[in-house]
Amino acid sequence: GAVVSQHPSRVICKSGTSVKIECRSLDFQATTMFWYRQFPKQSLMLMATSNEGSKATYEQGVEKDKFLINHASLTLSTLTVTSAHPEDSSFYICSARDPWAGGEQYFGPGTRLTVT
Amino acid sequence: LAKTTQPISMDSYEGQEVNITCSHNNIATNDYITWYQQFPSQGPRFIIQGYKTKVTNEVASLFIPADRKSSTLSLPRVSLSDTAVYYCLVGDADRGGSYIPTFGRGTSLIVHP
Repeated sequence: GAVVSQHPSRVICKSGTSVKIECRSLDFQATTMFWYRQFPKQSLMLMATSNEGSKATYEQGVEKDKFLINHASLTLSTLTVTSAHPEDSSFYICSARDPWAGGEQYFGPGTRLTVT
Repeated sequence: LAKTTQPISMDSYEGQEVNITCSHNNIATNDYITWYQQFPSQGPRFIIQGYKTKVTNEVASLFIPADRKSSTLSLPRVSLSDTAVYYCLVGDADRGGSYIPTFGRGTSLIVHP
């Protein structure tokens, strides 16, 4: 089946620095990818929809200048957490939709971000 | 987007059948019902998807009544490794749709020895 990868799997950074997380669809092309954030013992919260070749669509309450999303190709979307703070520490998950597999969504393994 | 309601938690024992029901009263005509499983610190994993009646695969069955306002995920003979959170999602998953997977609270299933 289709696979979505994320890199890195976990990252620790200092407060004030920026961190980039990559999401790749390995064997299919995805015009749309989604970014989620998940805090401990909570559900996945959609942050934004990443559209290849155009600007991302952010959910209400998500700062687009803080969470930069770039979808430069049909297989890669990146999420950059700028000027990270401890409250940004979370589990970030991306997903991609394979339009030729009945629209099934495939989720990445997630990235654990810890801001110290 | 159709809102879903699931029990927050369930307990079971190894070898038993587990049925998790999801309510989605305002499901739209084009909406599919999809269930995911999530282990701690991992991304959700697709379990099964259906539109109506019954769907079965190698890991689960999905029962959808005629009015489609609810669905039941059935896990036969669960094992300890089935302990996870299960999410029910509803949306237009057609290849031409603008489906945005939106997660509710999910059901935390704990399987006891």
